[in-house]
Amino acid sequence: SFDLTQPPSVSVSPGQTATITCSGDKFDDEYAFWYQQKPGQSPVLVIYQDTKRPSGIPERFSGSNSGNTATLTISGTLAMDEADYYCQAWDRSTVVFGGGTKLTVL
Amino acid sequence: QVQQVQSGAEVRKPGASVKVSCKVSGYTLTELSMHWVRRSPGKGLEWMGGFDPEDGETIYAQKFQGRVTMTEDTSIDTAYMELSSLRSEDTAVYYCASFHGPIRFSFEYWGQGTLVTVSS
Repeated sequence: SFDLTQPPSVSVSPGQTATITCSGDKFDDEYAFWYQQKPGQSPVLVIYQDTKRPSGIPERFSGSNSGNTATLTISGTLAMDEADYYCQAWDRSTVVFGGGTKLTVL
Repeated sequence: QVQQVQSGAEVRKPGASVKVSCKVSGYTLTELSMHWVRRSPGKGLEWMGGFDPEDGETIYAQKFQGRVTMTEDTSIDTAYMELSSLRSEDTAVYYCASFHGPIRFSFEYWGQGTLVTVSS
């Protein structure tokens, strides 16, 4: 299976834009999905099929996929966005998660 | 609205087995592709396996093959994940995660998690 590589941590000031990348050589063939997980909670899907937002996810969350890199962007970051973020893709029948990125809002 | 309610926390000794359940409501289990994901302390999400709707088979991550069994009782809309030969590194929160539809998709629905502690 292939690997998905994320930066371990990203820091952002409140109101600024946070960018989290996910690198993997399957992204020219496969969609990227993104999850948010806060301490003590289950993961929540925030982006699916590269760019789509599920119902209830704020518009400040957006996604893109270009070449071998998928990107999650949080515009106007709020303190409540502080969490771990994971990208995910399919490799034929198996699921791959990135290592996760801890987003700190300070 | 889909809900997935998991069984409670478990403590096991090394070498033992554990079976975690996930009760579904809002959809029938046959309408969902059910998977299992774990998060160990200090680590990220790790996929263990699940049902691939495009191949019609349950697929296990290579790391867990031979140790994990995923089953379903569709009469009560409950999925199970059994992990055997437990070791301390299996201490983790285990989640059932699923999606609806005939194609490989993202995990829209998650259980609340079940903490499994492996300790002598």
